[in-house]
Amino acid sequence: KNEVEQSPQNLTAQEGEFITINCSYSVGISALHWLQQHPGGGIVSLFMLSSGKKKHGRLIATINIQEKHSSLHITASHPRDSAVYICAVSIQGAQKLVFGQGTRLTINP
Amino acid sequence: KAGVTQTPRYLIKTRGQQVTLSCSPISGHRSVSWYQQTPGQGLQFLFEYFSETQRNKGNFPGRFSGRQFSNSRSEMNVSTLELGDSALYLCASSPGSTLLGAFFGQGTRLTVV
Repeated sequence: KNEVEQSPQNLTAQEGEFITINCSYSVGISALHWLQQHPGGGIVSLFMLSSGKKKHGRLIATINIQEKHSSLHITASHPRDSAVYICAVSIQGAQKLVFGQGTRLTINP
Repeated sequence: KAGVTQTPRYLIKTRGQQVTLSCSPISGHRSVSWYQQTPGQGLQFLFEYFSETQRNKGNFPGRFSGRQFSNSRSEMNVSTLELGDSALYLCASSPGSTLLGAFFGQGTRLTVV
């Protein structure tokens, strides 16, 4: 079993829909990251969370440390949000990131 | 300020050759970590350097090595290339002694033929 599991693996929605991507992990972490990867490979760090909730524009990320679960929400989704969204955790006590397999999001106009 | 810069962006090598990839972190960042991304395995951690010292290494064979210079720039070397080494290699830099606030480069796409 992977240490970081994301769901769904693929998600297709219509423009304007509310999107939720989930991430569960099984290890102790010092932080959780949400990353966005567009075609071509470049990765952008969207959020880094160690507790609670963060909001940036139409993006919201939450984390529940007790349940070892995080969600990334996109409100009023737009075709430019189409990308792969990756959850990654910083392992407690170790200087490395462990990644989920990613969620491929496609927003149709 | 400038982002994380990886060079080259694209590279084609033949089996058995070696390759060196470069990563220049954001100015002031002292930690550089390297990752391999393949369609089958996703993103996997290779190693992490802080102040010229390797602090952690992922589960990769000894053909994969790296180093960090005093200006925090890092290089990754892969010797005796195999077809399975074809991947996108990403580096990330962060300001302090942890991976908090990591910024990623655009990656080097390596194709081994």
